[in-house]
Amino acid sequence: NAGVTQTPKFRVLKTGQSMTLLCAQDMNHEYMYWYRQDPGMGLRLIHYSVGEGTTAKGEVPDGYNVSRLKKQNFLLGLESAAPSQTSVYFCASSPPLGGGTQETQYFGPGTRLLVL
Amino acid sequence: GEDVEQSLFLSVREGDSSVINCTYTDSSSTYLYWYKQEPGAGLQLLTYIFSNMDMKQDQRLTVLLNKKDKHLSLRIADTQTGDSAIYFCAEKTGFQKLVFGTGTRLLVSP
Repeated sequence: NAGVTQTPKFRVLKTGQSMTLLCAQDMNHEYMYWYRQDPGMGLRLIHYSVGEGTTAKGEVPDGYNVSRLKKQNFLLGLESAAPSQTSVYFCASSPPLGGGTQETQYFGPGTRLLVL
Repeated sequence: GEDVEQSLFLSVREGDSSVINCTYTDSSSTYLYWYKQEPGAGLQLLTYIFSNMDMKQDQRLTVLLNKKDKHLSLRIADTQTGDSAIYFCAEKTGFQKLVFGTGTRLLVSP
């Protein structure tokens, strides 16, 4: 199993350009997540999905949109990139995080985005 | 609030023990986790502990949980240069979500 994969690994955008980050998982997980990681700020949740066709806002959703058309894929879109969106983006997936199990999130390798 | 706090940086010498600390907030958290992030990579699950346990040992790793103080620690025995990474603690809250700490950067010098 490949686990969680992300495409692309690295991208440079100009301010105002748009792009889509792709996340794919082959673990048949129901839940998927997008985070951004910035120095000294840990991981911040952008959007998440608890199943195919559903999405929800996380901690920092502004400027991003997501779609979960297929269970195995979770797309993160930037419609008009801004320099403040320069970051490392991580996708994760998990089974439902019921309190009675040790199930947790599994992460992709990240996408480094630079917005000039 | 849902702040999970960690110190930002820890430096140790190879062969010493490292102790990384974490303070969480939700007393109803069921599981607590430690993740490792190596340079240029994603987060990898290292270990976890159930909230009714005080300690869990896994080879060089020892996890201690003080539920009264909401304090979690990760001890790495005989720290190696390959242990240099960022370590994140995370709690699974009563709302069935994971809340991550800010990460502790461990630097191991020869």
